[in-house]
Amino acid sequence: DQQVKQNSPSLSVQEGRISILNCDYTNSMFDYFLWYKKYPAEGPTFLISISSIKDKNEDGRFTVFLNKSAKHLSLHIVPSQPGDSAVYFCAARGWGGTSYGKLTFGQGTILTVHP
Amino acid sequence: DGGITQSPKYLFRKEGQNVTLSCEQNLNHDAMYWYRQDPGQGLRLIYYSQIVNDFQKGDIAEGYSVSREKKESFPLTVTSAQKNPTAFYLCASSIESGTGRNSPLHFGNGTRLTVT
Repeated sequence: DQQVKQNSPSLSVQEGRISILNCDYTNSMFDYFLWYKKYPAEGPTFLISISSIKDKNEDGRFTVFLNKSAKHLSLHIVPSQPGDSAVYFCAARGWGGTSYGKLTFGQGTILTVHP
Repeated sequence: DGGITQSPKYLFRKEGQNVTLSCEQNLNHDAMYWYRQDPGQGLRLIYYSQIVNDFQKGDIAEGYSVSREKKESFPLTVTSAQKNPTAFYLCASSIESGTGRNSPLHFGNGTRLTVT
């Protein structure tokens, strides 16, 4: 049972355009959401996060939007740069029950930004 | 520089052998985690430890064992009981998984284990 889903395995965009990566979740016990970026043969690095009490968080070129009613979040990168090419993982942290403190990851989306 | 060190980067073992993956952190983090990454499946939690001498099973703990004798170290043993051990293994840590639950995970660079 995949509680965090990234339904697009890959995304290709032109340099300078907007990249939008999507993530859906099913568990209403999640209260904190994160995006990680991963290059091949390296560990993921933290990119941006959002608490469930907010609907938007912005950090430079990166903005995360959260729609709690739809259980959907998205990461916007604008403008996209070739160095943004990587795998992006969405993750959610549980706050209660057996999910407490644990991160659940999506499958990842491979972003390719073409010059 | 503070960080998480996983060694070795690549590891090869014969089927039926146990193998231990090392993870050391100097971030003074209380919580440590082991994930495995398989193509198309994202990261799946194997074991985690919120404090020294304590650990809990994650979502796919079968065939694995861990220990947390020191705050800095959280080694993972892949036993011969693990049916599909070939994978990319990632160790991570965070300040605290309880009250500090909004602290992001810091990951090591991973160990790629190949079992033939």
